[in-house]
Amino acid sequence: GNSVTQMEGPVTLSEEAFLTINCTYTATGYPSLFWYVQYPGEGLQLLLKATKADDKGSNKGFEATYRKETTSFHLEKGSVQVSDSAVYFCALNRGPNNAGNMLTFGGGTRLMVKP
Amino acid sequence: KAGVTQTPRYLIKTRGQQVTLSCSPISGHRSVSWYQQTPGQGLQFLFEYFSETQRNKGNFPGRFSGRQFSNSRSEMNVSTLELGDSALYLCASSEGLARGGDTQYFGPGTRLTVL
Repeated sequence: GNSVTQMEGPVTLSEEAFLTINCTYTATGYPSLFWYVQYPGEGLQLLLKATKADDKGSNKGFEATYRKETTSFHLEKGSVQVSDSAVYFCALNRGPNNAGNMLTFGGGTRLMVKP
Repeated sequence: KAGVTQTPRYLIKTRGQQVTLSCSPISGHRSVSWYQQTPGQGLQFLFEYFSETQRNKGNFPGRFSGRQFSNSRSEMNVSTLELGDSALYLCASSEGLARGGDTQYFGPGTRLTVL
């Protein structure tokens, strides 16, 4: 079956530091890949996505590139802010028989940014 | 457009009772999916509805059921509640038409506590 593995947290950084959160996946075919962010007491917010190999998703300074050869979708940001403190989830979407939706999530990585 | 809405936001029930959660998708979205989030198991897919039909189903017991109405609104029902059903239940909506998985947008969730 499909699976997503992401680095465990918490990740603690100082403001303006460089961020990388690793994510690798196992899936049949070519799923769409996503990063979602969850703030305390809230649902999941879509951060960025990529739908095919070599696509780069980007949003709010965050980037991730769909690497088919390494089955990876690592999240990066050049300069983190305190407001980026949250839990980040890597996910793939591929329904059985390539029909519909079924998100498979990684375990989540908690990011804490200190001023 | 208004986002995905879920009601109620919080619920407290006792073991053996049943509960119904409601989700209103983004206008124009025909696919609604449900996910369970717990500290131990993380985010797990429950089921997806598209055009009033269950299209995909996760590995949950039959106590978990759902339905979708002609206006795409969806309800999820859990019967004979167990302590382990305490979780954040998230609803996500998408257009439902892409092969290989849509972009899903999440609501704020319903926090269910079973005593």
